[in-house]
Amino acid sequence: EAGVTQFPSHSVIEKGQTVTLRCDPISGHDNLYWYRRVMGKEIKFLLHFVKESKQDESGMPNNRFLAERTGGTYSTLKVQPAELEDSGVYFCASSQAGGTEAFFGQGTRLTVV
Amino acid sequence: AQSVTQLDSQVPVFEEAPVELRCNYSSSVSVYLFWYVQYPNQGLQLLLKYLSGSTLVKGINGFEAEFNKSQTSFHLRKPSVHISDTAEYFCAVSVFMDTGRRALTFGSGTRLQVQP
Repeated sequence: EAGVTQFPSHSVIEKGQTVTLRCDPISGHDNLYWYRRVMGKEIKFLLHFVKESKQDESGMPNNRFLAERTGGTYSTLKVQPAELEDSGVYFCASSQAGGTEAFFGQGTRLTVV
Repeated sequence: AQSVTQLDSQVPVFEEAPVELRCNYSSSVSVYLFWYVQYPNQGLQLLLKYLSGSTLVKGINGFEAEFNKSQTSFHLRKPSVHISDTAEYFCAVSVFMDTGRRALTFGSGTRLQVQP
């Protein structure tokens, strides 16, 4: 069974540009989470989907970040326009309904120059 | 709100030596506790978890951790490390929020550097 897949693995963009990150969770997992790690600091929660609905987006840093989960399957996280401080590694995780373990993808390393 | 403190940002150790990576947490409610590992150029992988029951938890690759409620700690140990254990290790806690989700709060990570 495929794990959580994230695309791209790396992205380098200029300040002001737009970037879209994609996450394919494990099939059948209702819960999908986005996390971010900035420059060696702790991994921080961004938001949580249950199926296609945003359950909690309290960790989203500002309105330049937009997350969607079409049809309750894959999710995208768009940053528009990107700023230097958005650089970091973005992780996606998924879990079963009621599950206690979250499975993580390999992350997308975003560099804004 | 909950928080996690990993007291050591880097831990150098020689191969076959024992190691302990420290983790302390704070929370006003009961928590689940996790250790994740990130090998170079890979994603986060679950090492072990404490949900309830025995306070000594065994995980993959010979790691174990002990939940100490009075000291609010969940230290990770391995009696003899290998070069292949070189990685970054993250302690995390999970609580059940009123939104229904089990939020993961992570520590800042500990880099384990195993030297020959």
